[in-house]
Amino acid sequence: DAGITQSPRYKITETGRQVTLMCHQTWSHSYMFWYRQDLGHGLRLIYYSAAADITDKGEVPDGYVVSRSKTENFPLTLESATRSQTSVYFCASSELGAYSNQPQHFGDGTRLSIL
Amino acid sequence: AQKITQTQPGMFVQEKEAVTLDCTYDTSDPSYGLFWYKQPSSGEMIFLIYQGSYDQQNATEGRYSLNFQKARKSANLVISASQLGDSAMYFCAMREGPETGGFKTIFGAGTRLFVKA
Repeated sequence: DAGITQSPRYKITETGRQVTLMCHQTWSHSYMFWYRQDLGHGLRLIYYSAAADITDKGEVPDGYVVSRSKTENFPLTLESATRSQTSVYFCASSELGAYSNQPQHFGDGTRLSIL
Repeated sequence: AQKITQTQPGMFVQEKEAVTLDCTYDTSDPSYGLFWYKQPSSGEMIFLIYQGSYDQQNATEGRYSLNFQKARKSANLVISASQLGDSAMYFCAMREGPETGGFKTIFGAGTRLFVKA
C-alpha cells in the first residue's frame, strides 16, 4: 500500500545510547521532514530534505543527524540520547506542487522515551 | 525569521455553532503557503485546508474556510456548524517559497478545540 511508515512505533532507551528512527514513503515525494511534538510547543521541525542527498536544518536540529541516500527513506538518528529528547516524532513527506501548495502526509509517529 | 503563532491554547464551542481559530505568521518571503491540520486524540495528522500567498480569494473546503488577511499576516480557520467529531488539536503551518531557499514548513503550537453537546 502507498503511504508513509515510521518504525518503531514505540521505543524506550537509556541516556547516552544511539537510536535511529526510520521513515519510509512509497509516493516518491521529493520532500521529507522530521518533527518532534511536545506539549505546549506543537510540532517543531528538526530536519528536512528536498531530495536524495540534500538535507537542511530546521528549528531544533541539535543532537540529531539525518541522511537521505534514497528518495524513499529518511532516517533520524539521535547520536547520544538525552532525556530532553523524549518526545513523539513525526515524519512527513510532500511534493512541492505549484506555489508550494501540496500538503504534507504524515506517518503515525514514534513515541520515544529516554530514561 | 519565519514564525507561526497560535495564541489560543484551548477553545470551547457549542455544537452546531461556528468557531474561529487564530493564526498569525511572519515571513520575509513573498511566496508562501499556509496550511491547517487537525490532530484527533488518536494522533494522526489530517490536512484540512490550504491558502497560497498569491490567492485572491479565501480558501474553503466544506465546513472549513480560511480567513486570510495578508496585510495583517493572519490566516484564521473558521469551522462552521461544529460537530462533536471536530474536538481535536488544530495546527496552523506555513511553508516558505524559493526566496528564502528552502520550502521549509513550520507549525504553530496548536489550539485544542472542545465541542460541547
